[in-house]
Amino acid sequence: AQSVTQLGSHVSVSEGALVLLRCNYSSSVPPYLFWYVQYPNQGLQLLLKYTSAATLVKGINGFEAEFKKSETSFHLTKPSAHMSDAAEYFCAVSSNTGGFKTIFGAGTRLFVKA
Amino acid sequence: DSGVTQTPKHLITATGQRVTLRCSPRSGDLSVYWYQQSLDQGLQFLIQYYNGEERAKGNILERFSAQQFPDLHSELNLSSLELGDSALYFCASSRGQLQSTDTQYFGPGTRLTVL
Repeated sequence: AQSVTQLGSHVSVSEGALVLLRCNYSSSVPPYLFWYVQYPNQGLQLLLKYTSAATLVKGINGFEAEFKKSETSFHLTKPSAHMSDAAEYFCAVSSNTGGFKTIFGAGTRLFVKA
Repeated sequence: DSGVTQTPKHLITATGQRVTLRCSPRSGDLSVYWYQQSLDQGLQFLIQYYNGEERAKGNILERFSAQQFPDLHSELNLSSLELGDSALYFCASSRGQLQSTDTQYFGPGTRLTVL
């Protein structure tokens, strides 16, 4: 079985500050991990994905995430927050076994203060 | 704009009724996925179709059904609606059939309100 835990339902940062959104996963098989962003009244957009290649994954809009197997983590970071980064972020896990389902975390809402 | 279209944008109906949500995937995409997003359950995968065939099933209730047509558009049918079915329903599409590696493109969603 797979699961995803996002630590912190709300995160608030100042403009220009580091963004760190935490995601821990549980998987009995090699996981594939994703970060999605959802802006108000819109669908989800893929930020980046880990598919067993490089452990440091770079995505769109300056975001990156590092897969750490020993910590079962896939935290999302961005060096300098912009006001436009304010949105909800979802971590997700999938695999090529076990019914091919994608499991999403509960989401973290990012607030960016001017 | 992801290229995935969903109709209608909003739907208001009563308990016990039946509704159909429609999704048109991006040009060239063979997979269609349906998701439900609600305040209490979060974002849940419901079902995936690939080239007309059911590929994977998630937490889809027996009152719900879906199909993908030869032109690759998909419909999600929700019947005997309950108040708890009120949610945002998203459709996504991808080129291939693997949720693990294929990039999914999400539509804007259909907001269903059951009164």
